[in-house]
Amino acid sequence: DAKTTQPNSMESNEEEPVHLPCNHSTISGTDYIHWYRQLPSQGPEYVIHGLTSNVNNRMASLAIAEDRKSSTLILHRATLRDAAVYYCILRAINTGTASKLTFGTGTRLQVTL
Amino acid sequence: DTGVSQDPRHKITKRGQNVTFRCDPISEHNRLYWYRQTLGQGPEFLTYFQNEAQLEKSRLLSDRFSAERPKGSFSTLEIQRTEQGDSAMYLCASGTVLSGANVLTFGAGSRLTVL
Repeated sequence: DAKTTQPNSMESNEEEPVHLPCNHSTISGTDYIHWYRQLPSQGPEYVIHGLTSNVNNRMASLAIAEDRKSSTLILHRATLRDAAVYYCILRAINTGTASKLTFGTGTRLQVTL
Repeated sequence: DTGVSQDPRHKITKRGQNVTFRCDPISEHNRLYWYRQTLGQGPEFLTYFQNEAQLEKSRLLSDRFSAERPKGSFSTLEIQRTEQGDSAMYLCASGTVLSGANVLTFGAGSRLTVL
């Protein structure tokens, strides 16, 4: 799997937007960009994924650069409950039986009042 | 359906003992994964099942580790002759395809402490 690079940590104030960056300069044309987050004492939780176009869901938005070498997870209005480790993961389409996700160390997001 | 269930949530054992963890995935998901996570690190892949077939095993899965999914439903992960280095959170996930991509739903994990 292609490698991703994320900042180790970020801070945000509550009720402000948060932009979590991810660099993936070696991404291939068949790689999906996945984001998961892990709240304290819980398993990881799926957030969003995309291939080429920007994506929105109830949790977040995913902005993908035109060259796909970077992406940004956008939390529109951070709350204390969004404090977590956020993982950016690439996974190829049609990987057959090898469909695991490979996690890095992610970005630890702190949200303060 | 209440998601992925793991049992027990916490296990403390002495070095050399055997332990077994159980995972009940989301019923309609045919893919099941085991991961291990140590403090400050992201989850590390251990093994993957599609239905009852174990299709991939990580080199992290030494011969003391064995995983089964006998009827393609729940799964067990057994660690024999535990060592202190086995202390970790063991995470189970089940997978389905969403908008063309494989998406995983994780359980809350089983935390193992080996004394």
